Amino acid sequence: DIVMTQAPLSSPVTLGQPASISCRSSQSLVHSNGNTYLSWLQQRPGQPPRLLIYKISNRFSGVPDRFSGSGAGTDFTLKISRVEAEDVGVYYCMQATQLPYSFGQGTKLEIK
Amino acid sequence: EVQLVQSGAEVKKPGESLKISCKGSGYSFTTYWIVWVRRMPGKGLEWMGMIYPGDSDTRYSPSFQGQVTISADKSITTAYLQWSSLKASDTAMYYCARLDGYNYALDYWGQGTLVTVSS
Repeated sequence: DIVMTQAPLSSPVTLGQPASISCRSSQSLVHSNGNTYLSWLQQRPGQPPRLLIYKISNRFSGVPDRFSGSGAGTDFTLKISRVEAEDVGVYYCMQATQLPYSFGQGTKLEIK
Repeated sequence: EVQLVQSGAEVKKPGESLKISCKGSGYSFTTYWIVWVRRMPGKGLEWMGMIYPGDSDTRYSPSFQGQVTISADKSITTAYLQWSSLKASDTAMYYCARLDGYNYALDYWGQGTLVTVSS
């Protein structure tokens, strides 16, 4: 099974400042078809998760452009260019390259 | 508009059975996998398994195989997650989500069903 490891697990950030979350997989996430099925989700307090980024770097419909994703192979990053109050929550990476699909442990983003 | 609407919160005793539901609308229910995800109190998301309502093909995480049953009734565009004998450790929020079969991402989510198992 593929294990997803995020860092940091907690990230206190000042409003207006950037934030970055790392996600590493125990195996390459490149599928045999050449695609990399790594996505990022946000879960605000009291709400269901919401898709932010799919296939490493593609923003889902309605996601602000301050969110961006990058990476390849086993190393991936989610960046928020300028953190806003509504960005508070837990962020997860998820791989859907190989069954069973799996999530990272989650990174809690809080405002300093 | 794509929607996944889950059944309401449940409070059960250990040993009881339970079936929770997830009704899809606004899209072709039979052509997208429905995934079930668990979030235990204070913990992260866990992928439990998924079903393709078109032919009921079902895949389970090894961690949940034999512990739960995933099913679907395409005639009423509803997926289910069921337990035959609940344990206190099943206390969690359970979410269903749609898997985009092209981008392999969970693009739409239900609101969640809170299951509490306590004697």
